[in-house]
Amino acid sequence: DVVMTQTPVSLSVAIGQPASISCKSSQSLVGTSGKTYLNWLLQRPGQSPKRLIYLVSKLDSGIPDRFSGSGSETDFTLKISRVEADDLGVYYCLQGTHFPLTFGSGTKLEIK
Amino acid sequence: QVQLKESGPGLVQPSRTLSLTCTVSGFSLTSYGVSWVRQPPGKGLEWIAAIWSGGSTDYNSALKSRLSISRDTSKSQVLLKMNSLQTEDTAMYFCARSGGGYDYWGQGVMVTVSS
Repeated sequence: DVVMTQTPVSLSVAIGQPASISCKSSQSLVGTSGKTYLNWLLQRPGQSPKRLIYLVSKLDSGIPDRFSGSGSETDFTLKISRVEADDLGVYYCLQGTHFPLTFGSGTKLEIK
Repeated sequence: QVQLKESGPGLVQPSRTLSLTCTVSGFSLTSYGVSWVRQPPGKGLEWIAAIWSGGSTDYNSALKSRLSISRDTSKSQVLLKMNSLQTEDTAMYFCARSGGGYDYWGQGVMVTVSS
C-alpha cells in the first residue's frame, strides 16, 4: 500500500498568518493517464471530511483562494496564505492513484 | 443538489454482520462511483471499498475477505456488508462519491461493536 506521510501532526497558527502542511507518498502518484490523484480534505470538528483541492492544485468550488496546493510525484504541500478562524480542523491528504486509496494521518490546525 | 446519506444499526454484537446503506441523490450511480470510508473514534480515515459506475468493485485488501459492496440503482442505494465484526470495527462509517474524486461525503453513521 502507498504510505502517505503527513507533517506536522499539529499546527497552531495565529489569525492572518500562513500555514503549510506537507504530504509525502511512498511512491509516485502519477497515474497511467498522466494525472496525479492527490486531494486535500478538511474535517471540521464533528463534521464529515470536505474536499478542498483535487488533482494536486485544483481548488474546489467555493474554496477561498487563500488555499493552494502544489507538488509532484511524491512530494505535496497545502498552503493557507492567511489563516482564518473557520480553517480550524484536521487536514488530510488522500491519494487516489493506487489501490487501496490511502490517507495521510492528518494535521490538526488550531488557532493561536 | 448532490447528497449522500448513510444508514445502519448503531450497535452490532461481535462476530455478527454489519449492513450499511448509502442513499444518494442529485446524481446517478451509473455515472459515478461510491466508496465507503471509516474513522475509528479519535483516529484517521481508512478507505474500505468502492463500487464504480459500471458496477465493478474494489476492496481494501486487509478487509476484503469480510466485505461485500453492491448497489441498487433503482433505489439509488449502495450497500456495504461486513461480517465477523470485532471491537476494532467500531467507527464512523462514511460514504463518498468517488467517481467525482471524493467531492461529496455523507454525514456518516456511527457503528459500535459491543456485546
